[in-house]
Amino acid sequence: DTAVSQTPKYLVTQMGNDKSIKCEQNLGHDTMYWYKQDSKKFLKIMFSYNNKELIINETVPNRFSPKSPDKAHLNLHINSLELGDSAVYFCASSQDPGILAKNIQYFGAGTRLSVL
Amino acid sequence: EDKVVQSPLSLVVHEGDTVTLNCSYEVTNFRSLLWYKQEKKAPTFLFMLTSSGIEKKSGRLSSILDKKELFSILNITATQTGDSAIYLCAPAAGGTSYGKLTFGQGTILTVHP
Repeated sequence: DTAVSQTPKYLVTQMGNDKSIKCEQNLGHDTMYWYKQDSKKFLKIMFSYNNKELIINETVPNRFSPKSPDKAHLNLHINSLELGDSAVYFCASSQDPGILAKNIQYFGAGTRLSVL
Repeated sequence: EDKVVQSPLSLVVHEGDTVTLNCSYEVTNFRSLLWYKQEKKAPTFLFMLTSSGIEKKSGRLSSILDKKELFSILNITATQTGDSAIYLCAPAAGGTSYGKLTFGQGTILTVHP
């Protein structure tokens, strides 16, 4: 069983469209994250949720809206897609970032988004 | 702003060589430092370092942290082609940044047979 799974793996869409990426973890973790990896391979955090509550919200355009229906799921919705949104988006989870030994983040396989 | 710099950016070696990857950081509310290996897909966890001077080992890989000088190194001995990957260093923050990882740009390691 995949611990952190994302769908879809690939997403090709036109500028201006709205799209969603889904993430689910079966590790029983309390905290989930979204990261963006650009063409230069930098992984940058976008959001984190702890038990459905938004904890980290980096400087991300408000076209990006995370939604956590329960602690096992964190979805990312993107409105009015732009060319610069093309990247690989990774979901991750950790057990409890408040406890040092439980702050290991486990990553999904990524969603490659291409905006044309 | 938090900053993480890894060096070298890329490294090409032959099987059997030993490599040392470097990571220097400036992170507010530093709590720990994590190393990840990224092949084609998800970054996979290698080590978490929390204390200075205590080496962590896993097979041919080892890592150590210096909290005074703000750096960490990852050593790989007797490299194999399967070690070819991007190695990512990520300090973790606490406080209001609760679990935030700040990643370096990675070191691309290529191991030739």
